[in-house]
Amino acid sequence: QVQLQESGPGLVKPSETLSLTCTLSGGSISGYFWSWIRQPPGKGLEWIGYIYYSGDTNYNPSLKSRVTISVDTSKNQFSLKLSSVTAADTAVYYCAKVGGTSRFDPWGQGTLVTVSS
Amino acid sequence: QSALTQPPSASGSPGQSVTISCTGTSSDVGGYNYVSWYQQHPGKAPKVMIFEVSKRPSGVPDRFSGSKSGNTASLTVSGLQAEDEADYHCSSYGGSNNYVVFGGGTKLTVL
Repeated sequence: QVQLQESGPGLVKPSETLSLTCTLSGGSISGYFWSWIRQPPGKGLEWIGYIYYSGDTNYNPSLKSRVTISVDTSKNQFSLKLSSVTAADTAVYYCAKVGGTSRFDPWGQGTLVTVSS
Repeated sequence: QSALTQPPSASGSPGQSVTISCTGTSSDVGGYNYVSWYQQHPGKAPKVMIFEVSKRPSGVPDRFSGSKSGNTASLTVSGLQAEDEADYHCSSYGGSNNYVVFGGGTKLTVL
């Protein structure tokens, strides 16, 4: 069964770029869609975007100007970059596999990213 | 797109049933049978409980059921148990721009 693990800095300065990587184990990244989702402290979930293993992407319109999601099939990884971050981008960031009907399963354990100077 | 609307809280006693609503628009919930529900315990990642409005992944108890009417989807938890106390989030496929939208989450308390 596929497992996902997020990794990256837990602290990012305002105006800088947040970078996270999701590494898969127990399965292949090929043939599927993969997504990033975030959850600000005490708030609901927000879909950031998804990527097909071929590299095709789709982003949340509210974040589209600042988001880049990429994939590295040789490493069984996909990544998130979010530029020009502010305190409002402080959140737990999750990566997840996307089912055929926009079902997210499974999820990584999540990683907290704090934006602060 | 706007977030789906969920009540912030719901509660019930052990053994009772509780229903959580999730209201969207004809562009998301009402337009597609692609509503999912996620259970999230404190400090844990969400877990899918219902997909495609009413389907249960293997391993999810049949106490959990989903339905939809118009632009509103619902999650019903029957025979409430203490371990059902958690946050529940709905999501829907948004169609034309291939986006996904979540609700604000509902905290379910088992009294």
